[in-house]
Amino acid sequence: QVQLQESGPRLVKPSETLSLTCTVSGGSISGYYWTWIRQPPGKGLEWIGFIYYSGSTDYNPSLKSRVTISVDTSKNQFSLRLTSVTAADTAVYYCARDPGRGGDFDYWGQGTLVTVSS
Amino acid sequence: DIQMTQSPSSLSASVGDRVTITCRASQSISNYLNWYQQKPGKAPKLLIYAASSLQSGVPSRFSGSGSGTDFTLTISSLQPEDFATYYCQQSNSVPRTFGQGTKVEIK
Repeated sequence: QVQLQESGPRLVKPSETLSLTCTVSGGSISGYYWTWIRQPPGKGLEWIGFIYYSGSTDYNPSLKSRVTISVDTSKNQFSLRLTSVTAADTAVYYCARDPGRGGDFDYWGQGTLVTVSS
Repeated sequence: DIQMTQSPSSLSASVGDRVTITCRASQSISNYLNWYQQKPGKAPKLLIYAASSLQSGVPSRFSGSGSGTDFTLTISSLQPEDFATYYCQQSNSVPRTFGQGTKVEIK
């Protein structure tokens, strides 16, 4: 059974960089697309971007100037960096797998709440 | 960006009811439409992919239909564990976008 687990600081100061890592267990990171999605408290879901296991990426244009997603196949991990954060970036951040059959997300991490506050 | 609009935003229903949720895309997305269920404090769970394909392990009371711009998720007989928020998501193009959600509450 594939499992995903987000990790990283839960509190980030305004203007600083949010960094999260997703560790994939129970299966290989190879052959799939790996995605970050976020959900502000009480609101809907926003797609941040994805990375293919080979390293190619695509990002939401609304965040593109501040986002970097990277992959480490040797560790079965992929990561998110979001720079210059503000309170509007406070959200539950989820990592998820896109199995490559049409853009759905079949496995999700449990999510981690990241709060931007001084 | 493709805008996804769900209706209704919320509904009240009883156990055993047939429930239908609608999702409309701002432009044609063929059958690149997926449905998720989210319970409070939990990650979304994939129910339906490619508009009508049932994800492995999901009960058969869930079904999806539609193509182009109009899609529906149907729960044939609502069960107590189905009270949750449901989201549609288009995967026709980037950025992937979600509907605003439909909250299914107990009547």
